[in-house]
Amino acid sequence: DAKTTQPPSMDCAEGRAANLPCNHSTISGNEYVYWYRQIHSQGPQYIIHGLKNNETNEMASLIITEDRKSSTLILPHATLRDTAVYYCIVRVGHAGGTSYGKLTFGQGTILTVHP
Amino acid sequence: DAGVIQSPRHEVTEMGQEVTLRCKPISGHDYLFWYRQTMMRGLELLIYFNNNVPIDDSGMPEDRFSAKMPNASFSTLKIQPSEPRDSAVYFCASSLGLAGINEQFFGPGTRLTVL
Repeated sequence: DAKTTQPPSMDCAEGRAANLPCNHSTISGNEYVYWYRQIHSQGPQYIIHGLKNNETNEMASLIITEDRKSSTLILPHATLRDTAVYYCIVRVGHAGGTSYGKLTFGQGTILTVHP
Repeated sequence: DAGVIQSPRHEVTEMGQEVTLRCKPISGHDYLFWYRQTMMRGLELLIYFNNNVPIDDSGMPEDRFSAKMPNASFSTLKIQPSEPRDSAVYFCASSLGLAGINEQFFGPGTRLTVL
């Protein structure tokens, strides 16, 4: 799986958008970008994933650059409950790949949302 | 659905004792994963199963660790004998392995302390 690089920590004011960057310059054409988060003392939680197009769901938006070498997770209106460690992961998303099923977690970004 | 269920939630044991962690995946999911999380090493994949068959156990640290999945609704992770360095939070996760849609659902974790 391609390696990802994320800033170790970020701050955000409550109610503002939180934009979390991720670099994955060695991503392969068949690798997806996944985002998970882990709130203190809980198991990781899936947020969103994408291949090349921008994606949006009820939790967040994922913006992937045209060359796919980086992406940004956007929490449009951050709340205190969004304080967590956010992990950006790239991996093969289809059966048959040698890394299928495996999520390799890095150190992630600690997002702190302030009142 | 109740989500992924893990038991016990907390386990304190003495060095040398056998420890068994249990996991019930979400009904219908065909992939099951065991992860370990420590401050030093972060979140690591230990082993994962597909349709009850172990697919990749390369993350299992040593022979003291073993995992089984006797049926689609139950898995165990056993450590025998346990050592203080095994102290960690152990997470179980499951997913429905559809191509590109294999979000992993994590359980609440088992916090293991080996004295």
